[in-house]
Amino acid sequence: LAKTTQPISMDSYEGQEVNITCSHNNIATNDYITWYQQFPSQGPRFIIQGYKTKVTNEVASLFIPADRKSSTLSLPRVSLSDTAVYYCLVGEARVTGGGNKLTFGTGTQLKVEL
Amino acid sequence: EAGVAQSPRYKIIEKRQSVAFWCNPISGHATLYWYQQILGQGPKLLIQFQNNGVVDDSQLPKDRFSAERLKGVDSTLKIQPAKLEDSAVYLCASSTDRAYEQYFGPGTRLTVT
Repeated sequence: LAKTTQPISMDSYEGQEVNITCSHNNIATNDYITWYQQFPSQGPRFIIQGYKTKVTNEVASLFIPADRKSSTLSLPRVSLSDTAVYYCLVGEARVTGGGNKLTFGTGTQLKVEL
Repeated sequence: EAGVAQSPRYKIIEKRQSVAFWCNPISGHATLYWYQQILGQGPKLLIQFQNNGVVDDSQLPKDRFSAERLKGVDSTLKIQPAKLEDSAVYLCASSTDRAYEQYFGPGTRLTVT
């Protein structure tokens, strides 16, 4: 079961790029890396998922080095509305008979200011 | 597309009482999850259903918690009897076979006094 480690908190200003790094030294061959965002009083929301190299969507980019022991979520030009908790998860991509055991850590509290 | 529905949104009970939460997943999603989120922590998976069968309940306190998913659609999570430490937000999520992309409901905030 891959465990993830990420910073407890980060501060930024509007318009800046924010990079949140997650360590997952024990990632397994079949594991994918997924990031979620959670606002207060809401359930988490899927942001992005990847296996290796770089993945980009309309919200963020995900950078995964060749050894896959870490990953970096990149949020371009953040705004106040990006203030949230960001979770890094590692686990199998497809639902399996034994359960996927996707584990949320404590996440990174991102605070964006003017 | 309708999202994951949960009810009630808030519940206050006294310790040793029982409580039940209801979840209606996104139509067509075979997999359903119940999470417990204590203030300041990330969600903790309690149970995962694939259709109406349980695939993971390793972190479900089975002496007091139970869950069912009849007909592979709606699900209920029950706590009986409740303890003070059960105060938390209970989140329901659903997904297709892509387990990494789960859709969460708004949650039920439970306060046990």
